[in-house]
Amino acid sequence: ETGVTQSPTHLIKTRGQQVTLRCSSQSGHNTVSWYQQALGQGPQFIFQYYREEENGRGNFPPRFSGLQFPNYSSELNVNALELDDSALYLCASSLVSGDEQYFGPGTRLTVT
Amino acid sequence: KQEVTQIPAALSVPEGENLVLNCSFTDSAIYNLQWFRQDPGKGLTSLLLIQSSQREQTSGRLNASLDKSSGRSTLYIAASQPGDSATYLCAVSVPGANSKLTFGKGITLSVRP
Repeated sequence: ETGVTQSPTHLIKTRGQQVTLRCSSQSGHNTVSWYQQALGQGPQFIFQYYREEENGRGNFPPRFSGLQFPNYSSELNVNALELDDSALYLCASSLVSGDEQYFGPGTRLTVT
Repeated sequence: KQEVTQIPAALSVPEGENLVLNCSFTDSAIYNLQWFRQDPGKGLTSLLLIQSSQREQTSGRLNASLDKSSGRSTLYIAASQPGDSATYLCAVSVPGANSKLTFGKGITLSVRP
């Protein structure tokens, strides 16, 4: 059974640019959630996708958007990057919404 | 609004000590509670999941308890080892459309040889 994978591992972008982060959910899981973890903080919920539809959103601006594909993999897109977007971005999958969540290794985004 | 608190932020103990990590939450109407381990710069590893109807869960040297009425959970680590050094986070989900996880800031544990 393959766990949750994320790519890339690290990324450096310039303020104002756009970035796409990718996540492959654990086999059989149809729900994917994205979290942002700033240094020294707990992860903050960005949004969740269930069967290709957005299924809830946290307190993040519209420049944070996402997609889920028929194979349940997912993308997180961030437009107009700001310095404060520098963080570890975590993807988690679960069998169904509300079930135990399994996290990937994260993507470390640095915005300069 | 659900808030999760973990105090203290950091803890240092000698190897072999039994220890308890605390987690408190403000809204007792939770769906489940998870404890995670995070090594520096890495993702989260799920340690234990306690459903709202359960009082505790055990896995090896770890035992987690849940008291919904008081809004508290504890993670007990028996016979701590240097390899247990990491940040431990607790997170709660509430019943609803997406059951998002609300996290505490974590407790950074250092086990001294």
